[in-house]
Amino acid sequence: DTAVSQTPKYLVTQMGNDKSIKCEQNLGHDTMYWYKQDSKKFLKIMFSYNNKELIINETVPNRFSPKSPDKAHLNLHINSLELGDSAVYFCASSQGPVAKNIQYFGAGTRLSVL
Amino acid sequence: SQQGEEDPQALSIQEGENATMNCSYKTSINNLQWYRQNSGRGLVHLILIRSNEREKHSGRLRVTLDTSKKSSSLLITASRAADTASYFCATAYSGGGADGLTFGKGTHLIIQP
Repeated sequence: DTAVSQTPKYLVTQMGNDKSIKCEQNLGHDTMYWYKQDSKKFLKIMFSYNNKELIINETVPNRFSPKSPDKAHLNLHINSLELGDSAVYFCASSQGPVAKNIQYFGAGTRLSVL
Repeated sequence: SQQGEEDPQALSIQEGENATMNCSYKTSINNLQWYRQNSGRGLVHLILIRSNEREKHSGRLRVTLDTSKKSSSLLITASRAADTASYFCATAYSGGGADGLTFGKGTHLIIQP
Protein backbone atom coordinates (compact mmCIF):
# COMPACT_ATOMS: atom_id res chain seq x y z
CA ASP A 1 0.00 0.00 0.00
CA THR A 2 1.21 3.48 -0.84
CA ALA A 3 1.99 5.40 2.35
CA VAL A 4 1.20 8.87 0.99
CA SER A 5 -0.98 9.01 -2.08
CA GLN A 6 -2.12 12.02 -4.01
CA THR A 7 -4.48 12.39 -6.92
CA PRO A 8 -4.48 13.24 -9.68
CA LYS A 9 -0.95 12.59 -10.89
CA TYR A 10 -1.41 15.02 -13.78
CA LEU A 11 -3.73 18.00 -14.00
CA VAL A 12 -4.06 20.17 -17.09
CA THR A 13 -6.47 23.08 -16.90
CA GLN A 14 -7.26 26.54 -18.19
CA MET A 15 -6.45 29.81 -16.49
CA GLY A 16 -9.20 30.97 -14.17
CA ASN A 17 -10.47 27.51 -13.30
CA ASP A 18 -10.75 26.10 -9.78
CA LYS A 19 -9.14 22.74 -9.03
CA SER A 20 -8.41 20.43 -6.11
CA ILE A 21 -5.63 17.97 -5.38
CA LYS A 22 -6.28 15.23 -2.86
CA CYS A 23 -3.82 13.68 -0.44
CA GLU A 24 -4.18 10.75 1.91
CA GLN A 25 -1.70 9.09 4.23
CA ASN A 26 -2.11 5.70 5.88
CA LEU A 27 0.85 6.02 8.24
CA GLY A 28 -1.11 7.33 11.19
CA HIS A 29 0.91 10.54 11.15
CA ASP A 30 -0.47 13.64 12.78
CA THR A 31 1.19 16.27 10.58
CA MET A 32 0.75 16.76 6.85
CA TYR A 33 2.30 19.24 4.42
CA TRP A 34 2.02 20.67 0.94
CA TYR A 35 5.12 21.66 -1.03
CA LYS A 36 5.47 23.31 -4.43
CA GLN A 37 8.35 22.38 -6.74
CA ASP A 38 9.00 24.83 -9.54
CA SER A 39 10.52 24.25 -12.97
CA LYS A 40 14.02 24.60 -11.50
CA LYS A 41 13.24 21.85 -8.99
CA PHE A 42 13.19 24.24 -6.05
CA LEU A 43 10.92 22.89 -3.31
CA LYS A 44 9.11 25.28 -1.04
CA ILE A 45 6.80 24.58 1.88
CA MET A 46 3.28 25.92 1.40
CA PHE A 47 1.25 24.62 4.33
CA SER A 48 1.36 22.20 7.19
CA TYR A 49 -1.47 20.81 9.26
CA ASN A 50 -1.16 19.28 12.69
CA ASN A 51 -4.22 17.62 14.19
CA LYS A 52 -6.43 19.52 11.71
CA GLU A 53 -4.98 22.88 12.70
CA LEU A 54 -3.06 25.01 10.20
CA ILE A 55 0.26 25.81 11.73
CA ILE A 56 2.22 27.52 9.01
CA ASN A 57 1.41 29.34 5.84
CA GLU A 58 4.42 30.46 3.83
CA THR A 59 2.82 33.59 2.35
CA VAL A 60 1.13 31.69 -0.44
CA PRO A 61 -1.71 33.50 -2.22
CA ASN A 62 -5.09 33.11 -0.56
CA ARG A 63 -6.28 31.46 -3.77
CA PHE A 64 -4.69 28.36 -2.25
CA SER A 65 -6.62 26.78 0.60
CA PRO A 66 -5.76 23.55 2.38
CA LYS A 67 -8.67 21.51 3.66
CA SER A 68 -8.30 18.67 6.12
CA PRO A 69 -11.47 16.62 6.73
CA ASP A 70 -9.57 14.33 9.10
CA LYS A 71 -6.06 13.54 10.28
CA ALA A 72 -5.35 11.26 7.30
CA HIS A 73 -6.28 13.74 4.58
CA LEU A 74 -5.03 17.14 3.50
CA ASN A 75 -6.49 18.40 0.25
CA LEU A 76 -5.32 21.46 -1.64
CA HIS A 77 -7.90 23.66 -3.33
CA ILE A 78 -6.80 26.32 -5.79
CA ASN A 79 -9.11 29.08 -7.02
CA SER A 80 -8.71 31.19 -10.17
CA LEU A 81 -5.67 29.33 -11.45
CA GLU A 82 -2.87 31.40 -12.97
CA LEU A 83 -0.05 30.49 -15.36
CA GLY A 84 2.45 30.84 -12.54
CA ASP A 85 0.72 28.09 -10.58
CA SER A 86 2.12 25.53 -13.01
CA ALA A 87 4.41 23.32 -10.95
CA VAL A 88 4.61 19.95 -9.24
CA TYR A 89 2.80 19.85 -5.91
CA PHE A 90 3.88 17.34 -3.28
CA CYS A 91 2.02 16.19 -0.23
CA ALA A 92 4.01 14.84 2.73
CA SER A 93 3.44 13.65 6.26
CA SER A 94 5.42 13.15 9.43
CA GLN A 95 4.86 11.89 12.92
CA GLY A 96 5.22 14.82 15.25
CA PRO A 97 7.23 17.97 14.65
CA VAL A 98 9.48 17.85 11.62
CA ALA A 99 12.31 19.13 13.76
CA LYS A 100 12.62 15.58 15.06
CA ASN A 101 11.18 13.41 12.33
CA ILE A 102 11.56 12.58 8.69
CA GLN A 103 8.88 13.27 6.12
CA TYR A 104 7.22 10.86 3.74
CA PHE A 105 6.30 12.26 0.35
CA GLY A 106 3.65 11.44 -2.20
CA ALA A 107 4.56 10.98 -5.86
CA GLY A 108 3.49 14.50 -6.78
CA THR A 109 0.83 16.15 -8.91
CA ARG A 110 2.04 17.91 -12.04
CA LEU A 111 -0.21 20.92 -12.61
CA SER A 112 -0.14 22.64 -15.99
CA VAL A 113 -2.15 25.84 -16.38
CA LEU A 114 -2.76 26.83 -20.01
CA SER B 1 17.35 33.79 2.51
CA GLN B 2 17.58 30.24 1.37
CA GLN B 3 18.69 27.34 3.51
CA GLY B 4 20.35 24.27 2.14
CA GLU B 5 22.35 25.24 -0.91
CA GLU B 6 23.75 22.17 -2.62
CA ASP B 7 26.98 22.05 -4.52
CA PRO B 8 27.57 21.09 -7.27
CA GLN B 9 24.30 21.66 -9.13
CA ALA B 10 25.10 18.76 -11.42
CA LEU B 11 27.57 15.90 -11.23
CA SER B 12 28.34 13.21 -13.78
CA ILE B 13 30.60 10.28 -12.87
CA GLN B 14 31.37 6.74 -14.02
CA GLU B 15 29.70 3.77 -12.40
CA GLY B 16 31.78 2.50 -9.52
CA GLU B 17 33.22 5.89 -8.63
CA ASN B 18 32.34 7.79 -5.48
CA ALA B 19 30.06 10.83 -5.58
CA THR B 20 30.29 13.69 -3.11
CA MET B 21 27.70 16.41 -2.73
CA ASN B 22 27.87 19.36 -0.39
CA CYS B 23 25.25 21.43 1.34
CA SER B 24 25.49 24.73 3.16
CA TYR B 25 22.89 26.39 5.33
CA LYS B 26 22.51 29.68 7.12
CA THR B 27 20.72 29.36 10.45
CA SER B 28 20.83 27.10 13.50
CA ILE B 29 19.30 23.71 12.89
CA ASN B 30 17.87 20.82 14.84
CA ASN B 31 18.77 18.30 12.18
CA LEU B 32 19.75 18.05 8.55
CA GLN B 33 18.25 15.49 6.21
CA TRP B 34 19.12 14.21 2.76
CA TYR B 35 16.48 13.15 0.26
CA ARG B 36 16.64 11.57 -3.19
CA GLN B 37 14.26 12.31 -6.04
CA ASN B 38 14.18 10.11 -9.10
CA SER B 39 12.92 11.73 -12.27
CA GLY B 40 9.17 12.29 -12.12
CA ARG B 41 8.85 10.84 -8.64
CA GLY B 42 8.44 12.01 -5.07
CA LEU B 43 11.21 12.52 -2.57
CA VAL B 44 12.57 9.61 -0.59
CA HIS B 45 14.29 10.11 2.73
CA LEU B 46 17.88 8.85 2.84
CA ILE B 47 19.42 9.86 6.12
CA LEU B 48 18.96 12.26 9.02
CA ILE B 49 21.82 13.67 11.04
CA ARG B 50 21.21 15.57 14.25
CA SER B 51 23.00 18.78 15.13
CA ASN B 52 25.01 17.02 17.84
CA GLU B 53 26.25 14.34 15.42
CA ARG B 54 29.27 14.68 13.15
CA GLU B 55 29.02 11.63 10.93
CA LYS B 56 26.46 9.01 10.03
CA HIS B 57 26.49 5.95 7.79
CA SER B 58 23.76 4.05 6.03
CA GLY B 59 24.84 1.35 3.59
CA ARG B 60 26.83 3.07 0.83
CA LEU B 61 25.90 6.51 2.16
CA ARG B 62 28.04 8.60 4.45
CA VAL B 63 26.90 11.97 5.74
CA THR B 64 28.99 14.47 7.66
CA LEU B 65 27.86 17.59 9.46
CA ASP B 66 29.99 20.55 10.48
CA THR B 67 27.83 22.94 12.47
CA SER B 68 30.69 25.42 12.88
CA LYS B 69 30.84 25.81 9.10
CA LYS B 70 27.10 25.23 8.65
CA SER B 71 27.78 22.58 6.06
CA SER B 72 27.11 18.93 5.34
CA SER B 73 28.30 16.45 2.76
CA LEU B 74 26.77 13.32 1.30
CA LEU B 75 29.12 10.65 -0.03
CA ILE B 76 27.82 7.79 -2.13
CA THR B 77 30.42 5.08 -2.51
CA ALA B 78 30.69 2.59 -5.37
CA SER B 79 28.01 4.37 -7.38
CA ARG B 80 25.49 2.46 -9.48
CA ALA B 81 23.35 3.47 -12.44
CA ALA B 82 20.32 3.34 -10.12
CA ASP B 83 21.82 6.16 -8.05
CA THR B 84 21.08 8.56 -10.90
CA ALA B 85 18.70 11.08 -9.31
CA SER B 86 18.53 14.52 -7.75
CA TYR B 87 19.71 14.80 -4.17
CA PHE B 88 18.43 17.44 -1.78
CA CYS B 89 19.51 18.49 1.64
CA ALA B 90 16.83 19.85 3.94
CA THR B 91 17.01 21.56 7.27
CA ALA B 92 14.67 21.67 10.22
CA TYR B 93 15.01 24.79 12.34
CA SER B 94 15.97 24.46 15.94
CA GLY B 95 13.05 26.73 16.86
CA GLY B 96 10.93 23.63 17.05
CA GLY B 97 7.27 23.37 16.42
CA ALA B 98 5.61 21.60 13.55
CA ASP B 99 7.31 23.36 10.69
CA GLY B 100 8.12 22.33 7.16
CA LEU B 101 11.57 21.43 5.93
CA THR B 102 13.58 23.96 3.96
CA PHE B 103 15.12 22.41 0.89
CA GLY B 104 18.04 23.43 -1.27
CA LYS B 105 17.95 23.37 -5.05
CA GLY B 106 19.50 19.93 -5.25
CA THR B 107 22.38 18.22 -6.98
CA HIS B 108 21.54 16.29 -10.12
CA LEU B 109 23.69 13.18 -10.15
CA ILE B 110 24.21 11.17 -13.31
CA ILE B 111 25.95 7.79 -13.12
CA GLN B 112 27.28 6.73 -16.49
CA PRO B 113 27.52 2.98 -17.12
